[in-house]
Amino acid sequence: AQKITQTQPGMFVQEKEAVTLDCTYDTSDPSYGLFWYKQPSSGEMIFLIYQGSYDQQNATEGRYSLNFQKARKSANLVISASQLGDSAMYFCAMREGNSNSGYALNFGKGTSLLVTP
Amino acid sequence: ETGVTQTPRHLVMGMTNKKSLKCEQHLGHNAMYWYKQSAKKPLELMFVYNFKEQTENNSVPSRFSPECPNSSHLFLHLHTLQPEDSALYLCASSNRGREVEQYFGPGTRLTVT
Repeated sequence: AQKITQTQPGMFVQEKEAVTLDCTYDTSDPSYGLFWYKQPSSGEMIFLIYQGSYDQQNATEGRYSLNFQKARKSANLVISASQLGDSAMYFCAMREGNSNSGYALNFGKGTSLLVTP
Repeated sequence: ETGVTQTPRHLVMGMTNKKSLKCEQHLGHNAMYWYKQSAKKPLELMFVYNFKEQTENNSVPSRFSPECPNSSHLFLHLHTLQPEDSALYLCASSNRGREVEQYFGPGTRLTVT
């Protein structure tokens, strides 16, 4: 069963506007971590932001913020003041595993974001 | 050189060939990972290594053979691949035991003909 769901295959946003990329997850583990990665056309996965399941506050990193709604099992990414360089694929991921086996990530299918002038 | 590097960046091979993908991390991490990214599919975890020990093999066919000689290097040996194995192969590293992000390399774009 898919553990990470990203329902938006593609999104458009105008430069300088804010955009929200949706992510829902499924887990029965009380301890988990949620990540967002950006993948430009070059292929490299770039870490953007992390939210722990026990974190009381929503994570923020510069123009990126994570809207964490634990009861709804959602972890949406908000990008404020979009820039042309934000055009890329965005992946939501959830940490699984433990300290002995290493933290493997389960990824969603991704959302393609296009920022227009 | 910093971060996670992967070579080659692009590889075309026939189904009878044997080739290897190389990953090197310069971050002092102790866990390394291979992921496969196929078109229109989520990234799939293939292998996990912690301190050179393989701790996870995610039901990967035996035509993919990983090797981790030390905590900085990870290889993926390929032999008798199928066209459906064509994909982007991403290497990542992290610190075991810490709930931190994984750092990814740029990937190897593999085409099997």
